[in-house]
Amino acid sequence: GDSVTQMEGPVTLSEEAFLTINCTYTATGYPSLFWYVQYPGEGLQLLLKATKADDKGSNKGFEATYRKETTSFHLEKGSVQVSDSAVYFCALKPGTGGFKTIFGAGTRLFVKA
Amino acid sequence: GAVVSQHPSWVICKSGTSVKIECRSLDFQATTMFWYRQFPKQSLMLMATSNEGSKATYEQGVEKDKFLINHASLTLSTLTVTSAHPEDSSFYICSARDPGDGGYTFGSGTRLTVV
Repeated sequence: GDSVTQMEGPVTLSEEAFLTINCTYTATGYPSLFWYVQYPGEGLQLLLKATKADDKGSNKGFEATYRKETTSFHLEKGSVQVSDSAVYFCALKPGTGGFKTIFGAGTRLFVKA
Repeated sequence: GAVVSQHPSWVICKSGTSVKIECRSLDFQATTMFWYRQFPKQSLMLMATSNEGSKATYEQGVEKDKFLINHASLTLSTLTVTSAHPEDSSFYICSARDPGDGGYTFGSGTRLTVV
């Protein structure tokens, strides 16, 4: 079945460091891909999305490119801030219809000042 | 953008009591809503899909008699945890599908603690 695998955390970085959180997926058809962010004690917020191959989603300095050849959707940011500390979830919505969203396990990011 | 309001944001209850959590779509009608459970430091586990005007569809392993879902209107779905026990303590999150653009919006979550 469809699944999402993302790198285990926690990831600890210093402020202004470069961030990469790896995400790979398994799916039939052409899924839509998402990154969600969860700040402490809060629900999930959509960070960015891409709906077809080679699309690049971007928001708040974060980027991710839908790579069908490598079935990946890695999240990157050039310079992280302390306020980026949160849990990041990679997710997919199958392209075969239906409404379920499948989430990765989440990666916790700590950014030190 | 689409807003989903979830209430309460946290609740503490005694073992054996029932707790109701509400999920409202504020500026759109949601024919489908989803209820997730999140254990500490883990991902979201889909519990059930709530469909307006019909019975909810529960995921395998989720007790439908314990987690009652009611989706009586196009803007409100409720999750009732019946006869709660400490092992039901968790973070519960709802989401709704905006039929306008097909996107999903999440509520802010409810932290349930059963003592």
